[in-house]
Amino acid sequence: AQSVTQLDSQVPVFEEAPVELRCNYSSSVSVYLFWYVQYPNQGLQLLLKYLSGSTLVESINGFEAEFNKSQTSFHLRKPSVHISDTAEYFCAQNTGGFKTIFGAGTRLFVKA
Amino acid sequence: DVKVTQSSRYLVKRTGEKVFLECVQDMDHENMFWYRQDPGLGLRLIYFSYDVKMKEKGDIPEGYSVSREKKERFSLILESASTNQTSMYLCASRIAGGPNNEQFFGPGTRLTVL
Repeated sequence: AQSVTQLDSQVPVFEEAPVELRCNYSSSVSVYLFWYVQYPNQGLQLLLKYLSGSTLVESINGFEAEFNKSQTSFHLRKPSVHISDTAEYFCAQNTGGFKTIFGAGTRLFVKA
Repeated sequence: DVKVTQSSRYLVKRTGEKVFLECVQDMDHENMFWYRQDPGLGLRLIYFSYDVKMKEKGDIPEGYSVSREKKERFSLILESASTNQTSMYLCASRIAGGPNNEQFFGPGTRLTVL
């Protein structure tokens, strides 16, 4: 069965430090990968997505994710986090149908 | 600005009650989804609809049903609420045409069944 594994349930980090949120996906012929963010008391919103082509995907607020086919990983990184990045982050995979499989989520907690 | 709205942010119901959760999107999207979100489990798909009057079971449909009579509205129904259905319910919509399209989510309904 398809699955998405987020290896860390919680990641505490100090402001302005770098962060990596890890995600492993299921190998498939077609792979569409997403990172969504959920701020407190809100629904999910798209952070970035990988379709094909360049293995590095960037978002508008400084996050980037690297697609690694050999390791079936799609880790999310930011070189310097802000307090406002405190949220829950979900990695998700679609293999070509209607269904999107979501990981269990990683809570990023940025401390001053 | 695209928008998905859900009828209630918080809802408290009693065991055995019939519960309706409503979702409306204003983006003319064909696909709509209902998920439940529980700590440590991420989002699990309950039902989805790929077009008006069309519906398909997701991964955890037991105890739920859905209705989609109009393109913009997708309703989730708990026929007889039980305490194990206490959860956060998220609605989402997506334009048809490919698995690379993102989903747009509503703010969620936190349902408590006593």
